[in-house]
Amino acid sequence: DAKTTQPNSMESNEEEPVHLPCNHSTISGTDYIHWYRQLPSQGPEYVIHGLTSNVNNRMASLAIAEDRKSSTLILHRATLRDAAVYYCIPTTYGNKLVFGAGTILRVKS
Amino acid sequence: DTGVSQDPRHKITKRGQNVTFRCDPISEHNRLYWYRQTLGQGPEFLTYFQNEAQLEKSRLLSDRFSAERPKGSFSTLEIQRTEQGDSAMYLCASSTRQGINYEQYFGPGTRLTVT
Repeated sequence: DAKTTQPNSMESNEEEPVHLPCNHSTISGTDYIHWYRQLPSQGPEYVIHGLTSNVNNRMASLAIAEDRKSSTLILHRATLRDAAVYYCIPTTYGNKLVFGAGTILRVKS
Repeated sequence: DTGVSQDPRHKITKRGQNVTFRCDPISEHNRLYWYRQTLGQGPEFLTYFQNEAQLEKSRLLSDRFSAERPKGSFSTLEIQRTEQGDSAMYLCASSTRQGINYEQYFGPGTRLTVT
């Protein structure tokens, strides 16, 4: 399993963009980069995933470095409902998810 | 579809007792996963099923833990002779192949407290 490094916590103002970084220097060539988040008192939820190219969906954007050793999750306009723990997880499709400690995102109004 | 459901949501038991949790995945999801989460930590993988076959078990899953998915639908996780260290949130997730993605959908969890 690839080891990941994420900041313990980050803070953002409401309505501003947030860039959540993740280092995964030991990622294998077949691993996709998945991001999940966990809101307080809930199970984790899928946010986005990608392999090599940058990806966008209705929740967020994912920017992947050319060497794939790092990625950045981008929330374009943070809201209070985005306050959660964000996990970066390199994994092969269909496999178990190996969660690290994640990044606690706090959003200030 | 109402999503992944878990029952009970909370369970308090005395050390040494057996407990069983149930997970109902999203219908037609062929993969089902169990994770455990302690306070302040990310979830840890325990085991997963594809249909009724248990394909992988973590070393965290001691002999006191057993999981089943008899008809490839709901799953149960049983803990025998509970210990205080078993206190945690037990999460279930399900997935199916959608294109090339296996997005996992998580339930709300069962919080176990062993006294």
